[in-house]
Amino acid sequence: EAGVAQSPRYKIIEKRQSVAFWCNPISGHATLYWYQQILGQGPKLLIQFQNNGVVDDSQLPKDRFSAERLKGVDSTLKIQPAKLEDSAVYLCASSLYPGPPGTLHFGNGTRLTVT
Amino acid sequence: GEDVEQSLFLSVREGDSSVINCTYTDSSSTYLYWYKQEPGAGLQLLTYIFSNMDMKQDQRLTVLLNKKDKHLSLRIADTQTGDSAIYFCAESIMNTDKLIFGTGTRLQVFP
Repeated sequence: EAGVAQSPRYKIIEKRQSVAFWCNPISGHATLYWYQQILGQGPKLLIQFQNNGVVDDSQLPKDRFSAERLKGVDSTLKIQPAKLEDSAVYLCASSLYPGPPGTLHFGNGTRLTVT
Repeated sequence: GEDVEQSLFLSVREGDSSVINCTYTDSSSTYLYWYKQEPGAGLQLLTYIFSNMDMKQDQRLTVLLNKKDKHLSLRIADTQTGDSAIYFCAESIMNTDKLIFGTGTRLQVFP
């Protein structure tokens, strides 16, 4: 089975610019997550989708971050405008629903550097 | 609030056993997880344990759970250089899909 695909792999932008990340989950996985992993820390959930509906976005900085999952498959995460503290790896994950909670399949992530 | 704590580093000799420890806070967690992250890659689920279990063994991996102390450990037998990675402990919040990850333990295996 193909894994979770993410692009781009790396992105360098200046502060106040905008950036978008793309994720294609494993086929058939209804649940999709975006995590932010700052260097030296564990991943932190930004937003969780069930099909194309938002389940949890309580930790998403909504003044600058937005995410969508049109048609319940691919998803994009956008940051506008970016800040220095947004430098991190952005991980997309997907899971079957229903399934054992927490059994997530992760992509390789997008490493964002904001200068 | 929820918090998962791990030691930052562990260094072992190839062939020895590794034990990575974790403490968590949410006593309602039904499942607890161990994920592995290799350089430049996403996280990979290694194993998970149901909260009514004390131990789970899967080939070279042994997970021990002490619910009273909210302590979870991962033992890797016969550690190999390919086991060098960052290991994350995670708990599920209120039995949902929302995971709280620890800071990760970097395991270094030397010959």
